[in-house]
Amino acid sequence: GENVEQHPSTLSVQEGDSAVIKCTYSDSASNYFPWYKQELGKRPQLIIDIRSNVGEKKDQRIAVTLNKTAKHFSLHITETQPEDSAVYFCAASTGFQKLVFGTGTRLLVSP
Amino acid sequence: GAGVSQSPSNKVTEKGKDVELRCDPISGHTALYWYRQSLGQGLEFLIYFQGNSAPDKSGLPSDRFSAERTGGSVSTLTIQRTQQEDSAVYLCASSPKGAGGLYEQFFGPGTRLTVL
Repeated sequence: GENVEQHPSTLSVQEGDSAVIKCTYSDSASNYFPWYKQELGKRPQLIIDIRSNVGEKKDQRIAVTLNKTAKHFSLHITETQPEDSAVYFCAASTGFQKLVFGTGTRLLVSP
Repeated sequence: GAGVSQSPSNKVTEKGKDVELRCDPISGHTALYWYRQSLGQGLEFLIYFQGNSAPDKSGLPSDRFSAERTGGSVSTLTIQRTQQEDSAVYLCASSPKGAGGLYEQFFGPGTRLTVL
């Protein structure tokens, strides 16, 4: 079955810096790659997703890139702000099937 | 509109007791998922319902865990003879289904289960 690895487990940056979180997946059939943000005590919320027919997607300060050949995808956050501090999860799935999540990255943005 | 709701928000039970956790998906969403999140950990898939199809139970950790979805809407996750290792936050998610599409899963607030 699918296996998703996520790095780093923790990431500390200064406000205004960029942050990059990387994930790799094992199942070449996976075709949907969402990223979720989870604030302390809150539910996970989708921040951006990408499908396998696209190599890059951007939404304001957030972008995701996908390399199908290498089976890895990355989340890029530019001009980080303290409110970006949270745990970020990558995930992979095939169609409407279950999401397989990475282990999460705790991002801390210091003012 | 209303999002995914779950009840109870917190449940404390004694080891060996049975518990039922409820999920109300977003109206019209045909897919429903249960995940488990242990403290400081990622989300672990448990079970997935899609319309009238047989559910994908491949993530259930033992036969003490079961789930049903009545009328294609509300779902109940049942844990029998609870163990301390069952303590976690149980999250439910739902998503719509469209031809050829890949859709966001909307998560509920979770039920925090504590087994003493």
